Amino acid sequence: QKEVEQNSGPLSVPEGAIASLNCTYSDRGSQSFFWYRQYSGKSPELIMSIYSNGDKEDGRFTAQLNKASQYVSLLIRDSQPSDSATYLCAVYSGTYKYIFGTGTRLKVLA
Amino acid sequence: DTAVSQTPKYLVTQMGNDKSIKCEQNLGHDTMYWYKQDSKKFLKIMFSYNNKELIINETVPNRFSPKSPDKAHLNLHINSLELGDSAVYFCASSLRGVGDTQYFGPGTRLTVL
Repeated sequence: QKEVEQNSGPLSVPEGAIASLNCTYSDRGSQSFFWYRQYSGKSPELIMSIYSNGDKEDGRFTAQLNKASQYVSLLIRDSQPSDSATYLCAVYSGTYKYIFGTGTRLKVLA
Repeated sequence: DTAVSQTPKYLVTQMGNDKSIKCEQNLGHDTMYWYKQDSKKFLKIMFSYNNKELIINETVPNRFSPKSPDKAHLNLHINSLELGDSAVYFCASSLRGVGDTQYFGPGTRLTVL
């Protein structure tokens, strides 16, 4: 069974700090990786996608992928209270199937 | 100009009833999906459709029957509703479905009493 694992949290960080969210996956053949943010009662919205090893930066967000370790992370710099949400890691496992982790709840304390 | 829309947003019904949820995307995408999100926020794929053809049926009870009249629409019909069907159901679409970004609808909160 292909799996994606995340620490459910909550992860609490003070405003202005760096929040680090981690995700591991079991399928070594996975090629596409996504971070979604989901506010309570809302639908998931894409934060970042990453397809190759290394770092990808977009504003305050940096995604990091290490395929050898089967590990993908999301760093949020200068965390804001508005970043408080559940962050879902998703992996494309082939044949039109995406597998989601259970999500990490992030709380940014003002 | 909503990209992926779902109706209804809320659905409250009795056990044993039959209900439908509709989904439409105006992004020109080829692939559409249904997901179920339980109370613990776990988002699990149910079905994937590519160009109106069923690609994935993720061991979903056959009380759930998706239908795709065209590639912009994917509806979900549920027969003989059970308490365990209570969840939020999300429709999503992606351009081709082979590892590209998914865009989610607003969700339908189904409550079975």
